[in-house]
Amino acid sequence: ETGVTQSPTHLIKTRGQQVTLRCSSQSGHNTVSWYQQALGQGPQFIFQYYREEENGRGNFPPRFSGLQFPNYSSELNVNALELDDSALYLCASSPDRDRARYEQYFGPGTRLTVT
Amino acid sequence: SQKIEQNSEALNIQEGKTATLTCNYTNYSPAYLQWYRQDPGRGPVFLLLIRENEKEKRKERLKVTFDTTLKQSLFHITASQPADSATYLCALDRYSSASKIIFGSGTRLSIRP
Repeated sequence: ETGVTQSPTHLIKTRGQQVTLRCSSQSGHNTVSWYQQALGQGPQFIFQYYREEENGRGNFPPRFSGLQFPNYSSELNVNALELDDSALYLCASSPDRDRARYEQYFGPGTRLTVT
Repeated sequence: SQKIEQNSEALNIQEGKTATLTCNYTNYSPAYLQWYRQDPGRGPVFLLLIRENEKEKRKERLKVTFDTTLKQSLFHITASQPADSATYLCALDRYSSASKIIFGSGTRLSIRP
């Protein structure tokens, strides 16, 4: 077991709504990255948080935002949901931001369906 | 634009044979190349990493090669088993201020008994 947990497991939302996804990183890890994985595609990097600060962002609009808490758990918030936001959302924790390049432990993901 | 390509077709291999998966990339100079395994409904699991100055890396039945001239990595599973059936993802990272790992779309591997 990797120790990374995500909640909820599945979620169904309506277009235009807002959603918050949660991630608890592995013990001792201070870096969390979020990814979006559409069906049949590889994970796409959304952003990374290191010690409560954003430490890099992929090509996602501002309606995708995040937070990291002092205990290094993290949230992904998506506003104004669109149908194309339907995907598996993965978080990955790393011991630190440098090791995040080559040492990531993924959670099981949250399956978001937007109708 | 930067692109990573993996075999889009599923790969079906007889148990005991060697499975070879390909990862090609363009317009990119990775510092690291990684291979992950992903089972349905699960997050990816890290398997192997190879650096830009390494040609080959092995771990048990797994072998990865990295050719920065051809811009290609090959991933081999020797003595394949049905339990090896999964989707295999390659991922690249480069030297920069923040990690921005890029994944390929994956190749689905099926090992038949």
